[in-house]
Amino acid sequence: DADVTQTPRNRITKTGKRIMLECSQTKGHDRMYWYRQDPGLGLRLIYYSFDVKDINKGEISDGYSVSRQAQAKFSLSLESAIPNQTALYFCATSGRGQGAQGTTDEQFFGPGTRLTVL
Amino acid sequence: GQNIDQPTEMTATEGAIVQINCTYQTSGFNGLFWYQQHAGEAPTFLSYNVLDGLEEKGRFSSFLSRSKGYSYLLLKELQMKDSASYLCAVRSYNAGNMLTFGGGTRLMVKP
Repeated sequence: DADVTQTPRNRITKTGKRIMLECSQTKGHDRMYWYRQDPGLGLRLIYYSFDVKDINKGEISDGYSVSRQAQAKFSLSLESAIPNQTALYFCATSGRGQGAQGTTDEQFFGPGTRLTVL
Repeated sequence: GQNIDQPTEMTATEGAIVQINCTYQTSGFNGLFWYQQHAGEAPTFLSYNVLDGLEEKGRFSSFLSRSKGYSYLLLKELQMKDSASYLCAVRSYNAGNMLTFGGGTRLMVKP
């Protein structure tokens, strides 16, 4: 079974609709993240959470909100979707990993949600 | 702010060696990561450097020079399955230890 899961995997919606993307993890990590990916722009951080009571805005949080319902669940909402929010959305988690050069805190990504806003 | 540059696309031949460069400008540097991402899939972690020098892991190696703001990912004995995008990401204390990703380099391996 996948360690980080996202639902739905694909979604087509219309401008103005409210959309929720969900993320669950079984890795036991405290830290969770939401990114969007657009061609040529790489991954950009929307929101992140270090534990259930800690929510932080990322680089591009406008138009988005999040909820950390439990350690294992982190959902992303688009209150009123617009076409320029069409993108591939990834959830990620991280814990404290020890690499050869010390703490890596590498991130583990879910499979992504492809969202299209018409 | 942070600025991360890497080539958009590269092409190489099966069995060859390819080097993917990444240059960055940041304050509060706290590590550089390389991720591999196959088309339509999630990024997966390849390597991490926080000290200068070369880290070798099988066919993949990653190099860092903090004074030059420069890293490269070296892929040896290229295989067709290495065709993917390679993402360079920098972690910075000044950005809350979050990762900032470059746009990615799409590598095409040809027979």
